[in-house]
Amino acid sequence: KAGVTQTPRYLIKTRGQQVTLSCSPISGHRSVSWYQQTPGQGLQFLFEYFSETQRNKGNFPGRFSGRQFSNSRSEMNVSTLELGDSALYLCASTLAGGSGELFFGEGSRLTVL
Amino acid sequence: GEDVEQSLFLSVREGDSSVINCTYTDSSSTYLYWYKQEPGAGLQLLTYIFSNMDMKQDQRLTVLLNKKDKHLSLRIADTQTGDSAIYFCAEDNYGQNFVFGPGTRLSVLP
Repeated sequence: KAGVTQTPRYLIKTRGQQVTLSCSPISGHRSVSWYQQTPGQGLQFLFEYFSETQRNKGNFPGRFSGRQFSNSRSEMNVSTLELGDSALYLCASTLAGGSGELFFGEGSRLTVL
Repeated sequence: GEDVEQSLFLSVREGDSSVINCTYTDSSSTYLYWYKQEPGAGLQLLTYIFSNMDMKQDQRLTVLLNKKDKHLSLRIADTQTGDSAIYFCAEDNYGQNFVFGPGTRLSVLP
């Protein structure tokens, strides 16, 4: 069974640009969560999608958005990039969300110059 | 809000036991988790414990849970160089999302 796949693995953007990251969950998993990991703040929850609906949301500005498609694949978008958005963005999937094991992808490392 | 705390660094000698500690605030968590992150990789679930258990053993790993003090620990027996990584404690926030600690960087010295 293939794991959680995130693309791209690495990318470099400049301030003011926007970026879209993609996540393909494990086959059969319907819940996809996104986390931002930085050395200073650790792992912070961005949002969770289940059956194409955003079910939970963390404390991030509106520049951070996401969506989920009917095949459970998910994308997150960050608009008007700031230097502080440089981070490792991790996607995790699980069967139905809530309690239970989160299966993580290897992440997309975003550098904003 | 919910908070999970861990010490940031731990160094042990190869062959010794490692004990990584964690404190949490959400007493309603159903499960508490330990994840491992190796350089350049995502997080991998090591083990978890149901909130009504005191202890769980899984090969070299022992998890102890003190619900009264909201304290969780992970003991790694016979620590190897391959155990060098960052270890995250996590709780599920009323089953809505996971709250992770800052991670403990374990260094195993030969």
